[in-house]
Amino acid sequence: DTGVSQNPRHKITKRGQNVTFRCDPISEHNRLYWYRQTLGQGPEFLTYFQNEAQLEKSRLLSDRFSAERPKGSFSTLEIQRTEQGDSAMYLCASRKSDSNTEAFFGQGTRLTVV
Amino acid sequence: ELKVEQNPLFLSMQEGKNYTIYCNYSTTSDRLYWYRQDPGKSLESLFVLLSNGAVKQEGRLMASLDTKARLSTLHITAAVHDLSATYFCAVDNNPLNGSGAGSYQLTFGKGTKLSVIP
Repeated sequence: DTGVSQNPRHKITKRGQNVTFRCDPISEHNRLYWYRQTLGQGPEFLTYFQNEAQLEKSRLLSDRFSAERPKGSFSTLEIQRTEQGDSAMYLCASRKSDSNTEAFFGQGTRLTVV
Repeated sequence: ELKVEQNPLFLSMQEGKNYTIYCNYSTTSDRLYWYRQDPGKSLESLFVLLSNGAVKQEGRLMASLDTKARLSTLHITAAVHDLSATYFCAVDNNPLNGSGAGSYQLTFGKGTKLSVIP
């Protein structure tokens, strides 16, 4: 399978715990995006990388959130001191830097904070 | 701030009927995408619309883009049950000067939940 891969698919955590998600993009895609989708809403942009550089962060990304893409390949999104409001589907997408191509999405990680 | 509005948000239609989903957006952009999402699943790319007047068709779905009106439509012809899903339009936040320096992040509408009833 050469699509975007996300792990884990589901994560249940207690409030206050830290969680980390991983995204493996399509191999030739140098842009990687993280989105968050809450129930009944469209995905909302969180942050994006071009290669290993994190170039933009949404105001939705509080200081409890951190994302990395250390070697310009896979990326991780960490949430510290989780809150119930963090419960959502976290989607990763990748695309080539050519703006005329669509972004391809992974299956997502569904986070439930109890 | 770019806003993307879809309507209707919920659509229940009978098999065999036609209908159109509308997507309005608030700032100039010439890149618009349609995605399909099944319950609990990720987003599947349907159409990429890259210029004013672009029209693309795949099976019973046809999408068009009018950048002057800032409007895209997704037309469903002779609906079948398999088309039941949530459909999202997304607009590319590309720079107006076309320098390629933008993030090309997507701003999504809230989605249209389509139910096709036998």
